[in-house]
Amino acid sequence: AQSVTQLGSHVSVSEGALVLLRCNYSSSVPPYLFWYVQYPNQGLQLLLKYTSAATLVKGINGFEAEFKKSETSFHLTKPSAHMSDAAEYFCAVTNYGGSQGNLIFGKGTKLSVKP
Amino acid sequence: NAGVTQTPKFRILKIGQSMTLQCTQDMNHNYMYWYRQDPGMGLKLIYYSVGAGITDKGEVPNGYNVSRSTTEDFPLRLELAAPSQTSVYFCASRVEGNSPLHFGNGTRLTVT
Repeated sequence: AQSVTQLGSHVSVSEGALVLLRCNYSSSVPPYLFWYVQYPNQGLQLLLKYTSAATLVKGINGFEAEFKKSETSFHLTKPSAHMSDAAEYFCAVTNYGGSQGNLIFGKGTKLSVKP
Repeated sequence: NAGVTQTPKFRILKIGQSMTLQCTQDMNHNYMYWYRQDPGMGLKLIYYSVGAGITDKGEVPNGYNVSRSTTEDFPLRLELAAPSQTSVYFCASRVEGNSPLHFGNGTRLTVT
């Protein structure tokens, strides 16, 4: 069965600092992995996705994530945080054994950006 | 292009009341999903559909029902509302099994 663990429910960084949001997955087959962002009172928006084509995936708004099979990780990074990055971020993996490709989501990490 | 549209945005129900959360998408997606989001818990799948006339249970289906009479619409029905159903509900769709999900903006439901 697939699962996702996001380390840290809250992360706080200063504006201009590196953003690192951690995600570890468990999957018995090569996974499809996703990062989504949720701004207050909105639905989730896709940041980026990993589908085995390349281990370093670039997404929107300057975010990127690196797939590391040996570490079963898919951490999200951004070199320089902006105030507008304050949001909740969710890592997700495709649930192959379950509901027709349903995504299994981590519990989310809330990112705060200090001026 | 409206994407996934959910109505209403907010609703307060009394215990035992019923309501239907509406979801419609204009992207001709076959796959549609209903999730609930509770603080610190991520998203949990309630029901899903892989096409008109086909629905199936997800992880937390108790107390809910769905139907899928058309490709566009996927309403979620709460028959006897309970306080445990206080949550934010998201509808999502995707074109096929490994493509990204497209989410609506959610319905915030309070049951008192």
